[in-house]
Amino acid sequence: QKEVEQDPGPLSVPEGAIVSLNCTYSNSAFQYFMWYRQYSRKGPELLMYTYSSGNKEDGRFTAQVDKSSKYISLFIRDSQPSDSATYLCAMRDPGTSGTYKYIFGTGTRLKVLA
Amino acid sequence: EAQVTQNPRYLITVTGKKLTVTCSQNMNHEYMSWYRQDPGLGLRQIYYSMNVEVTDKGDVPEGYKVSRKEKRNFPLILESPSPNQTSLYFCASSFKGQGVPPYEQYFGPGTRLTVT
Repeated sequence: QKEVEQDPGPLSVPEGAIVSLNCTYSNSAFQYFMWYRQYSRKGPELLMYTYSSGNKEDGRFTAQVDKSSKYISLFIRDSQPSDSATYLCAMRDPGTSGTYKYIFGTGTRLKVLA
Repeated sequence: EAQVTQNPRYLITVTGKKLTVTCSQNMNHEYMSWYRQDPGLGLRQIYYSMNVEVTDKGDVPEGYKVSRKEKRNFPLILESPSPNQTSLYFCASSFKGQGVPPYEQYFGPGTRLTVT
């Protein structure tokens, strides 16, 4: 079983729709939950991060974390064609030796149709 | 301009021929990392470095080597490449920020490697 599971999509929605992207994880030690956006032929870019359970909003984007269920979500309101990209969830594994690493989901490919 | 650069961007090589992919950042970041991205498997961390001379294994380190002799550079070395190392490779860097919210990782443009 992968440490982080993410539906690969693709997900196609009409412009203006609300999009929900999700990840589940298995390691309760994970801290800091991030969402990256990756356009075709580019490196990922950080969209948002959260730490505690609850919601965090930034413009049209809302990140949600439920640590008890080990479930995180990213909501995109009023989706635009420019939101078409692959969205990757990521988590920081604190490790045990003072170093830390990152675990990424496989990414969900989103296409917003004009 | 703040950036992470990787070279080469594209590389086709043959099995067993040693190669190095360079990574350099100009943001004075402590943390640097290498990832590979494969369809269906997503982005997987190969090695990371918390600072000069401090490196550690990620989830898929087999077949790779790294070194961090200078803060700005973090080369990825494939001593004897094999076809299963054909992939898209990304270098990333960030401030270290242990114990505080993670600083943003800045990713390079990627290196597409094909091993025949």
